[in-house]
Amino acid sequence: AQTVTQSQPEMSVQEAETVTLSCTYDTSESDYYLFWYKQPPSRQMILVIRQEAYKQQNATENRFSVNFQKAAKSFSLKISDSQLGDAAMYFCAYRGTGANNLFFGTGTRLTVIP
Amino acid sequence: GAVVSQHPSRVICKSGTSVKIECRSLDFQATTMFWYRQFPKQSLMLMATSNEGSKATYEQGVEKDKFLINHASLTLSTLTVTSAHPEDSSFYICSARDRTRAFFGQGTRLTVV
Repeated sequence: AQTVTQSQPEMSVQEAETVTLSCTYDTSESDYYLFWYKQPPSRQMILVIRQEAYKQQNATENRFSVNFQKAAKSFSLKISDSQLGDAAMYFCAYRGTGANNLFFGTGTRLTVIP
Repeated sequence: GAVVSQHPSRVICKSGTSVKIECRSLDFQATTMFWYRQFPKQSLMLMATSNEGSKATYEQGVEKDKFLINHASLTLSTLTVTSAHPEDSSFYICSARDRTRAFFGQGTRLTVV
């Protein structure tokens, strides 16, 4: 069974600084998708970034980038130039190519310090 | 981008009554929708996968007779919490997929008093 582990329940970062959130996963599949979702206080789940396992290049979306290490089954999220609006719960998620549903990690609560 | 609308956002009901939550995909057809439950400060727990025109697939430990799911069209799935009890109080989130991405509704906070 697929499992997603986020070992940091809480993280904090100074505004304008950089922070990295960790995520590891376990799977026997060779092709799959990985995601980072943000859940602000409004509870709306927002897709931050997406990575296809067959792509070696790390995905980037503006200030958000990932470090995808397929052999190590690691998928960390780096937030650069952190902003107050980045404060939220961040969930790492996995989906197999043949599957419909997402497997979520337990989340990391990010606090941004002004 | 694609939008999923979930209604209501908040509902308070009396113990023993039933509550229906709607999930609509507004600008795309979703053959599959998902229902999650989220307890405070915890992750999303998949309750069931809703397939248009067929019975939902429930995760282990989720009572199908308590959490009735109907997916009558390609744009609408409903979750009915029957004979609600205070322990059913939670945050419920629906999700719909297109070929590559999952989109989430705004969530419904259910409080059973």
